[in-house]
Amino acid sequence: AAGVIQSPRHLIKEKRETATLKCYPIPRHDTVYWYQQGPGQDPQFLISFYEKMQSDKGSIPDRFSAQQFSDYHSELNMSSLELGDSALYFCASRWDFNTEAFFGQGTRLTVV
Amino acid sequence: DAKTTQPPSMDCAEGRAANLPCNHSTISGNEYVYWYRQIHSQGPQYIIHGLKNNETNEMASLIITEDRKSSTLILPHATLRDTAVYYCIVRGGSGGSNYKLTFGKGTLLTVNP
Repeated sequence: AAGVIQSPRHLIKEKRETATLKCYPIPRHDTVYWYQQGPGQDPQFLISFYEKMQSDKGSIPDRFSAQQFSDYHSELNMSSLELGDSALYFCASRWDFNTEAFFGQGTRLTVV
Repeated sequence: DAKTTQPPSMDCAEGRAANLPCNHSTISGNEYVYWYRQIHSQGPQYIIHGLKNNETNEMASLIITEDRKSSTLILPHATLRDTAVYYCIVRGGSGGSNYKLTFGKGTLLTVNP
């Protein structure tokens, strides 16, 4: 079965650079969630989209932005990267509010 | 979102049942109990969820108390591959921000040979 695809899997950036993370949800899933997981921490909710509209916002820095496109894939744009942005970034998708969300394998971002 | 409380760690012998408790005493009537697990730095994996009734699937069973203030995830025959952090999450069912999954401090289950 198709899963949530995230790209790239690994990314190394320097401080103050920008990064774009991509998420391709499972086909027919219209809701996407983004999470950030720092070293030794639990996943923290960043932002979500439903039918291409932002549906909820968590602890996402102002330096980050995200959107969901017409084909339902989503991109997380991160600017002015800081060392503290080094983390695993997970994307999840679901097709109905009362069904489970499926997570991708994540993008490991390292800021040096 | 209702808060959950889980023990930070548990051990289980391979082949035995693993019973992971979760307290969610402030849960409201339309909130679901979800269980996910995360195997070292992989994406969280859905296990099971329920509202009021006990649930069972190919992975696990979920026992929810009658007052819904606590639940237990049961892995009937734990294997070494079940070693992971297990998250109990209470999620709303009435729309908007209630639909997101809020991860708290889970339980690190270690299955020993």
